Amino acid sequence: EAGVVQSPRYKIIEKKQPVAFWCNPISGHNTLYWYRQNLGQGPELLIRYENEEAVDDSQLPKDRFSAERLKGVDSTLKIQPAELGDSAVYLCASSLVVADSNYGYTFGSGTRLTVV
Amino acid sequence: QKEVEQNSGPLSVPEGAIASLNCTYSDRGSQSFFWYRQYSGKSPELIMSIYSNGDKEDGRFTAQLNKASQYVSLLIRDSQPSDSATYLCAPGSQGNLIFGKGTKLSVKP
Repeated sequence: EAGVVQSPRYKIIEKKQPVAFWCNPISGHNTLYWYRQNLGQGPELLIRYENEEAVDDSQLPKDRFSAERLKGVDSTLKIQPAELGDSAVYLCASSLVVADSNYGYTFGSGTRLTVV
Repeated sequence: QKEVEQNSGPLSVPEGAIASLNCTYSDRGSQSFFWYRQYSGKSPELIMSIYSNGDKEDGRFTAQLNKASQYVSLLIRDSQPSDSATYLCAPGSQGNLIFGKGTKLSVKP
């Protein structure tokens, strides 16, 4: 079984440019998450999808970040325009969540974003 | 604000010793608890889950949970150099996991 697939692995962009990250979750997992991890910190939730619906986007900086999950499978996270402070690792995870009970996430390999 | 506190370390133990990693959390509604291991430059990997008070053992790993004290721990017996990594504590609440900053463990040969 394939795990959570993310691309690209690395991205270097100039500030004010747009960038997009892609994620394909584990088949059968109904919930998909995007997290951001800064160096020396734990992952921080950006957005959570249950099937196609974004059920928690309270931590997503909506002025520059957007996300979508078409057909309840793949997801894309976009930043436009990128700022220097957006440099981080962006992690996608998927999980089976039943009645708010979580059985643990599986993370993808992440995308390391460097904004210069 | 839901918080998860971990000692950032580094925690250094000799090979073969027991490593003890601790975590406290603020959300009393948390019902599921997870430990993730993260090697440098890699993504977090789930190693233990615990849902009920008490101990849960899996190989060299033992997770301990005390909901009344809002405390969860991870013991690693017979520590190996390959256990050197950052360990992230993650209580689950309302479908999300809230991660601590992690404890960096170093196992010396």
